[in-house]
Amino acid sequence: AQKITQTQPGMFVQEKEAVTLDCTYDTSDPSYGLFWYKQPSSGEMIFLIYQGSYDQQNATEGRYSLNFQKARKSANLVISASQLGDSAMYFCAMREGGYSTLTFGKGTMLLVSP
Amino acid sequence: KAGVTQTPRYLIKTRGQQVTLSCSPISGHRSVSWYQQTPGQGLQFLFEYFSETQRNKGNFPGRFSGRQFSNSRSEMNVSTLELGDSALYLCATKRENGETQYFGPGTRLLVL
Repeated sequence: AQKITQTQPGMFVQEKEAVTLDCTYDTSDPSYGLFWYKQPSSGEMIFLIYQGSYDQQNATEGRYSLNFQKARKSANLVISASQLGDSAMYFCAMREGGYSTLTFGKGTMLLVSP
Repeated sequence: KAGVTQTPRYLIKTRGQQVTLSCSPISGHRSVSWYQQTPGQGLQFLFEYFSETQRNKGNFPGRFSGRQFSNSRSEMNVSTLELGDSALYLCATKRENGETQYFGPGTRLLVL
């Protein structure tokens, strides 16, 4: 079974609009971490936001917020006020237990138009 | 603070050759992980090093190996290259008790 599922291969949004990128995960470990990374065409993976499994509140980092619904095992990324520079591939990833290893989803390509 | 650096950035090799990639972590980061990214398989974990010891290993053949030096810099080596080894190789580093892995710009390897 897929540990990280990103069901949206591509998303299209207009500048200044908000967009939600979906991510569901599968783990039986009570301790885990969820991450979102952005990968522009240059290839570098840029860290956006982190949510720990024991965190009570949803994580926020500037225009990024993570909508963490533990019972549903979902960790959706919300980008408010999209900018042209947000056009990139977005990956959801998970760390389980005491390991640092990240398991990635297949990614969502986000295109922001003027 | 300088970010993660990877060298070389681009590499072209032929089948059967070997290649060595290098990763220099952010200052103070002692954990270095390597990932392979291909269009078909996505991002896959290769291995993690901490304090010069391999701490975890992904499901890759023995042709893929790595090491870490006392200054936390890491190298990965791929021997007897195959066409399927063409990929973007990313390294990621983190502090000992940190959660977040920070990635380098990657090395694009093309095997002809």
